[in-house]
Amino acid sequence: KNEVEQSPQNLTAQEGEFITINCSYSVGISALHWLQQHPGGGIVSLFMLSSGKKKHGRLIATINIQEKHSSLHITASHPRDSAVYICAVRSKETSGSRLTFGEGTQLTVNP
Amino acid sequence: NAGVTQTPKFQVLKTGQSMTLQCAQDMNHEYMSWYRQDPGMGLRLIHYSVGAGITDQGEVPNGYNVSRSTTEDFPLRLLSAAPSQTSVYFCASSYSTRGRVGYTFGSGTRLTVV
Repeated sequence: KNEVEQSPQNLTAQEGEFITINCSYSVGISALHWLQQHPGGGIVSLFMLSSGKKKHGRLIATINIQEKHSSLHITASHPRDSAVYICAVRSKETSGSRLTFGEGTQLTVNP
Repeated sequence: NAGVTQTPKFQVLKTGQSMTLQCAQDMNHEYMSWYRQDPGMGLRLIHYSVGAGITDQGEVPNGYNVSRSTTEDFPLRLLSAAPSQTSVYFCASSYSTRGRVGYTFGSGTRLTVV
């Protein structure tokens, strides 16, 4: 079993829909990161969370440390949101800045 | 522009050939790392470095070497390329400030070994 599990693996939505991507992890963490990978391949860091909730524009990320679960929400989705969304954790057991990644969620938003 | 620069973007190698993937950052980040990304799998750590002169193995180090002679550069060497090393490779650097860690990724190198 992977230390970081994402669901769903693939998600197709219509423009304007509210989207939720889930991430569960099995280790104690110091932080959780949400990343975005566009079709061109580049990876961009969206959020770093250690507790609570963060919001940036139409993106909202939440984390529940007790339940070892995080969600990434996209409000009023747009075709430009189409990308792979990746959850990654920094484990308390491993050193420094090492990340363990989920497999990613492929999001396609149709106009 | 500040960031992580990876070269080349694309490469085709024959089995047994060697090559070096270059990674450079100009943000004075101490931590640098190499990952490979394969279909159906998350990014996996190959090697990492916590500072100049210090490197260590990640999850999948076999067949790869690294060195960190300067803070800026962290090249990844494939010693004798194998088809199993066909993948997309990402270099990343990170900083740590007051317990917060931020990451910057390179644009990736798509490697095909035939």
